Amino acid sequence: DVKVTQSSRYLVKRTGEKVFLECVQDMDHENMFWYRQDPGLGLRLIYFSYDVKMKEKGDIPEGYSVSREKKERFSLILESASTNQTSMYLCASSVAPLAGQETQYFGPGTRLLVL
Amino acid sequence: AQTVTQSQPEMSVQEAETVTLSCTYDTSENNYYLFWYKQPPSRQMILVIRQEAYKQQNATENRFSVNFQKAAKSFSLKISDSQLGDTAMYFCAFRSNNAGNMLTFGGGTRLMVKP
Repeated sequence: DVKVTQSSRYLVKRTGEKVFLECVQDMDHENMFWYRQDPGLGLRLIYFSYDVKMKEKGDIPEGYSVSREKKERFSLILESASTNQTSMYLCASSVAPLAGQETQYFGPGTRLLVL
Repeated sequence: AQTVTQSQPEMSVQEAETVTLSCTYDTSENNYYLFWYKQPPSRQMILVIRQEAYKQQNATENRFSVNFQKAAKSFSLKISDSQLGDTAMYFCAFRSNNAGNMLTFGGGTRLMVKP
């Protein structure tokens, strides 16, 4: 079974802190994604990566950056956390797009509270 | 840009009954994929069912089936013989054939199955 893990289930940070959210997948997937989930808004894509050291902005990249130094690991960085970044963050991974067989597999999520 | 709309924020159904969750989307493309994902309370999001737009036949997975109406841009999920374990958030998602593996999600429907 595909396993996607995230470094923390719950995180409390203060405004202005630098925050690192880590995601690791064990299935050699090329693609990795970071979403934030907010009530009524569903999941919105922050960044994704289709290969090591490659990244693309999603729909809401402002205030975030990412790092992918190894294929299995994709990090989301909040350079200076703000209260409006309080949210649930979900990581996902998938194989490269091939004829629609690219199911995204999700991690358990990190619930971040910024005070 | 594509949009996905789930007009029912919350629904409930009695155990063993049938429930239908609605989803509409907006796109100018002809080839794309549609998905329903399930997020149980405090558990990871998993894929329930997928539909390729070029296939006229509605997808079915055990008790889960879809009603895909391409002209109306509608993609509803029917859950038959509802079980307590079906209690979850359900997200409809769209994937363009031209956008790698990026998904656009609806706002979600919270389904409660009552004993």
